[in-house]
Amino acid sequence: KQEVTQIPAALSVPEGENLVLNCSFTDSAIYNLQWFRQDPGKGLTSLLLIQSSQREQTSGRLNASLDKSSGRSTLYIAASQPGDSATYLCAVIRQSGTSYGKLTFGQGTILTVHP
Amino acid sequence: KAGVTQTPRYLIKTRGQQVTLSCSPISGHRSVSWYQQTPGQGLQFLFEYFSETQRNKGNFPGRFSGRQFSNSRSEMNVSTLELGDSALYLCASSLQGLPNTEAFFGQGTRLTVV
Repeated sequence: KQEVTQIPAALSVPEGENLVLNCSFTDSAIYNLQWFRQDPGKGLTSLLLIQSSQREQTSGRLNASLDKSSGRSTLYIAASQPGDSATYLCAVIRQSGTSYGKLTFGQGTILTVHP
Repeated sequence: KAGVTQTPRYLIKTRGQQVTLSCSPISGHRSVSWYQQTPGQGLQFLFEYFSETQRNKGNFPGRFSGRQFSNSRSEMNVSTLELGDSALYLCASSLQGLPNTEAFFGQGTRLTVV
């Protein structure tokens, strides 16, 4: 059974800091890993998708890396802003015949960036 | 390009009633997945449909069901509602279905059972 853990559970930083969110998964046989953000009471916004054959993906101030062998991914946010405040979720799809549509999520990291 | 649309956004139902939630995927997307999000359990997979066929199902009781129409729109139904069914229900669409393509989520339907 695939389990996804995110550390830390919550993070509060001053504006302008660079920060790292961590995601680990127990089964390294994954197709891909996706990072999302969720604002309170809202849906999920896709941030980055990393295919299993890739090591990292970048979008603006965001950079996500993937180390399948160790079962880890990190999301790096550069020069954080108050608008980055949200819950960040990572999700994986396991390499299995029953994987269709099934993302397995971590519990998320609640990020607060204060001015 | 319109995103994933879920209706209604909010629902209040009484225990024992049934409810139907709707999800319209991004135009051209053929796969729709449904998730339940609660504070205690986080995001849990309900089921996935691709071209009107259910390809995968999570560990939920038979009271939870779904279907997909020829235009890829999907509905999920919950019968005999229980207090524990109160949650945010999210649907996600993808072009060819996971695992190969990116998932895009709607804003969710907040269901409250009283």
